[in-house]
Amino acid sequence: EADIYQTPRYLVIGTGKKITLECSQTMGHDKMYWYQQDPGMELHLIHYSYGVNSTEKGDLSSESTVSRIRTEHFPLTLESARPSHTSQYLCASSESRTGFLETQYFGPGTRLLVL
Amino acid sequence: AQKITQTQPGMFVQEKEAVTLDCTYDTSDPSYGLFWYKQPSSGEMIFLIYQGSYDQQNATEGRYSLNFQKARKSANLVISASQLGDSAMYFCAMRAPVDSSYKLIFGSGTRLLVRP
Repeated sequence: EADIYQTPRYLVIGTGKKITLECSQTMGHDKMYWYQQDPGMELHLIHYSYGVNSTEKGDLSSESTVSRIRTEHFPLTLESARPSHTSQYLCASSESRTGFLETQYFGPGTRLLVL
Repeated sequence: AQKITQTQPGMFVQEKEAVTLDCTYDTSDPSYGLFWYKQPSSGEMIFLIYQGSYDQQNATEGRYSLNFQKARKSANLVISASQLGDSAMYFCAMRAPVDSSYKLIFGSGTRLLVRP
């Protein structure tokens, strides 16, 4: 089981501010993911990384950007927050295994409210 | 196309009774994994149970079991002896190849409420 951490847990911020959502894991997992989820709805993949210096966009278009400079750290940045960015953001990680055998473990999530 | 369908938006169950949450999937690939996650109101996604497409037996983890019917493409979650703490959203997910890589595809979720 992965230990995966996200900060902040809750964030209320004004329009136009730059924000960074932090995600870190202590299990040495190569793969990390960011999902966006509106309340009570399904999760949508917005970014993923298969290792250091590797990042890809997910299925849902997002104005956020990510970086992967260290294995354990996968921060997500919004340069200029807007009310449409209000959502929950969930970070996940998994170890490299044969594709369909991988289990993703999730962090506690960050609930973002942009006023 | 890869797809997960959960047809029950909400379910009620009496405490200590068993409940089945439905999940059907669609994929043409023979290699896939099926997962169930629990999401309490606090927001985190908790991994519950996994079933691989080549597994011969249904997966079990404590009070959770997965009723895997491959021919019907269903992977229902059974929770035995429901507890109040089981009240949460439950998501079925499938890991299958999409555009040459494996991705986790989620259903729309089922909200379970356990009554005392």
